[in-house]
Amino acid sequence: EIVMTQSPATLSVSPGERATLSCRASQSVSSNLAWYQQKRGQALRLLIYDASTRATGIPARFSGSGSGTEFTLTISSLQSEDFAVYYCQQYNYYYTFGQGTKLEIK
Amino acid sequence: QVQLVESGGDLVKPGGCLRLSCAASGFTFSDYYMTWIRQAPGKGLEWVSYISSSANSIYYADSVKGRFTISRDNAKNSVYLQMNSLRAEDTAVYYCARGSITRAAHFDYWGQGTLVTVSS
Repeated sequence: EIVMTQSPATLSVSPGERATLSCRASQSVSSNLAWYQQKRGQALRLLIYDASTRATGIPARFSGSGSGTEFTLTISSLQSEDFAVYYCQQYNYYYTFGQGTKLEIK
Repeated sequence: QVQLVESGGDLVKPGGCLRLSCAASGFTFSDYYMTWIRQAPGKGLEWVSYISSSANSIYYADSVKGRFTISRDNAKNSVYLQMNSLRAEDTAVYYCARGSITRAAHFDYWGQGTLVTVSS
């Protein structure tokens, strides 16, 4: 099984600032990586797929980078609606998710 | 717009069974892979199973293999998860999600989930 490790577990950032979330795979997943946002009471939302492609309707302040085993989700200027839990997911070999990063207001 | 609505979650005793349903609308259901993913209370996400558009490709996580069965009815725009021999560790919110036309890969639309509780 490919293990996905996200860091940090919790990230405290002020609105308007940049947030950088990390995801590491236990073995190479090429660019077969997605990022999701989860808010309480709402359906999960696909943000990024193929490591760096924004999903339909996702604002340009969300960007993804990386390949192989190291990936990053960057939110360039945090809006109030961005505070949520973020998950990475690999789909290179079956499907596994990271344990999540909670992005909270500082 | 794309909508996925899960139903069927309930409280069930260990060893019991349950059938979850997911009703899809807003897209050509028969074109897409569909998947089930679960989230135990306070925990992360775990992929459970996927089914291809014509049901000729089906896969399960090792944790549910032999106990769960995924199926779909393209005429009813629905995907199902039959869960047998349920265990306490199957307690979770179960989400259905849409894959792509060619493979499961990433999942672009998710339902709100249905809660399954396995407890005596």
